Amino acid sequence: QLQLQESGPGLVKPSETLSLTCTVSGGSISSSSYHWGWIRQPPGKGLEWIGSIYYSGSTYNNPSLKSRVTISIDTSKKQFSLKLSSVTAADTAVYYCARRFADYSFDPWGQGTLVTVSS
Amino acid sequence: QSALTQPASVSASPGQSITISCTGTSSDVGSYNFVSWYQQHPGKAPKLMIYEATKRPSGVSNRFSGSKSGNTASLTISGLQAEDEADYYCSSYTSGSTQVFGEGTKLTVL
Repeated sequence: QLQLQESGPGLVKPSETLSLTCTVSGGSISSSSYHWGWIRQPPGKGLEWIGSIYYSGSTYNNPSLKSRVTISIDTSKKQFSLKLSSVTAADTAVYYCARRFADYSFDPWGQGTLVTVSS
Repeated sequence: QSALTQPASVSASPGQSITISCTGTSSDVGSYNFVSWYQQHPGKAPKLMIYEATKRPSGVSNRFSGSKSGNTASLTISGLQAEDEADYYCSSYTSGSTQVFGEGTKLTVL
C-alpha cells in the first residue's frame, strides 16, 4: 500500500532555511486524483496545515506562513519537498507529509520527522 | 486563519459514548462538507477516521461516526474502548483552497 517517508536535517539554525523531502512508495505521485501535503505539530501542541501541491506543480499554502513556504514536486523521483525560510524557534515541530484527497482529507501520513530550530 | 474550536478534553468510561464538537464559521465548516477527523496516539502519526463530515474509511470501526449542523461538526464514539484513548483533531476546507485544523481534544477512557 501507499507509504510516505519524510527525510531531512533534524537541526536547523535560526534564520536559516528548513528543507524536507517526502518520498512516496507503493503508488503513483502523478495521479490526477490526489494532492500532496505538509502538516506540522509543535511539541505538545496541535496540528497546523502548511500547504499542498498537485502533480502539475500547483501549490496552496497557509496564509499565516506567508511567503516563507515553498513546496515543490519531482515526479520522476516520486518526491515532494518543503522549504521554510527564516526559521525561528517557533518553527520547531514534527513535520508530516501526507496524501490529500479531493475532499481535503489526509491519508496516509508519513511517520513524521522532528525538526528543531536552535543555534 | 484561526484554528477550529474543540473542547480541550473529554472523558468517559468504557462502553459509554462521547461526542467531540468542532466549531468553525460560515467560511469553513458552515459552507462545506469537507470536514475530516483524525485520531492520534502519543508519538504516532494521525489516522483518518471520518471524511466528508460523515463518511468512514474502510477499516475504521463503525463505532466512529460523524455529523454536521451549521458551523459545527461532531465526532461520536460509541461503546468506548481503552484503545480509543487518544487525541482527536478535526479539519475543514476553507475559502481560497486552504484548510485548517481544530485545536485538538484529548479523550480519556476512565
